[in-house]
Amino acid sequence: GENVEQHPSTLSVQEGDSAVIKCTYSDSASNYFPWYKQELGKRPQLIIDIRSNVGEKKDQRIAVTLNKTAKHFSLHITETQPEDSAVYFCAASQWSNQFYFGTGTSLTVIP
Amino acid sequence: SQTIHQWPATLVQPVGSPLSLECTVEGTSNPNLYWYRQAAGRGLQLLFYSVGIGQISSEVPQNLSASRPQDRQFILSSKKLLLSDSGFYLCAWSPRDSLYTFGSGTRLTVV
Repeated sequence: GENVEQHPSTLSVQEGDSAVIKCTYSDSASNYFPWYKQELGKRPQLIIDIRSNVGEKKDQRIAVTLNKTAKHFSLHITETQPEDSAVYFCAASQWSNQFYFGTGTSLTVIP
Repeated sequence: SQTIHQWPATLVQPVGSPLSLECTVEGTSNPNLYWYRQAAGRGLQLLFYSVGIGQISSEVPQNLSASRPQDRQFILSSKKLLLSDSGFYLCAWSPRDSLYTFGSGTRLTVV
């Protein structure tokens, strides 16, 4: 099956700086890559996703890049704010079924 | 609109007792349904997924089982809980070719 690795496991940045979280996947057939944000004690919620026919996608301060050849994808958060503090999960799937998640990155934005 | 309900929100159970967590989806038909477990400080582990009534696939061998008695109902069960079963359990659903939506989760503590 698919194996998704995520780095770093923890990340601290100063407010206003950028944060980058990276994931790699093993199954070249994976074609859908969502990112989820999970605040403490709450459910994960989708923040952005990208499909394999696209190299980059941006939504305001959040962007995701995908390198299919290298089988890695990254989440970029610019101008970080304290409310961005949360655990972020990447995932990979084929045809949006049976997601395989990374182990999560705990992001702390220091005011 | 579609909604997903998961209950109970929290549960404290003694070792050796049975478990039943329920998840239901409204506003859709024939969804894919999933159970995930999130141990403290760790990622999301896929436990079971179902593509239809009575169709259950298990990702990892464990002390748990799942059933789908109705199209929009997914139940996670155990006959005898272990301490290691403690964690945050998340139900999720997806349409056939689209993204996940998670339930609000059940925090299970086995004592």
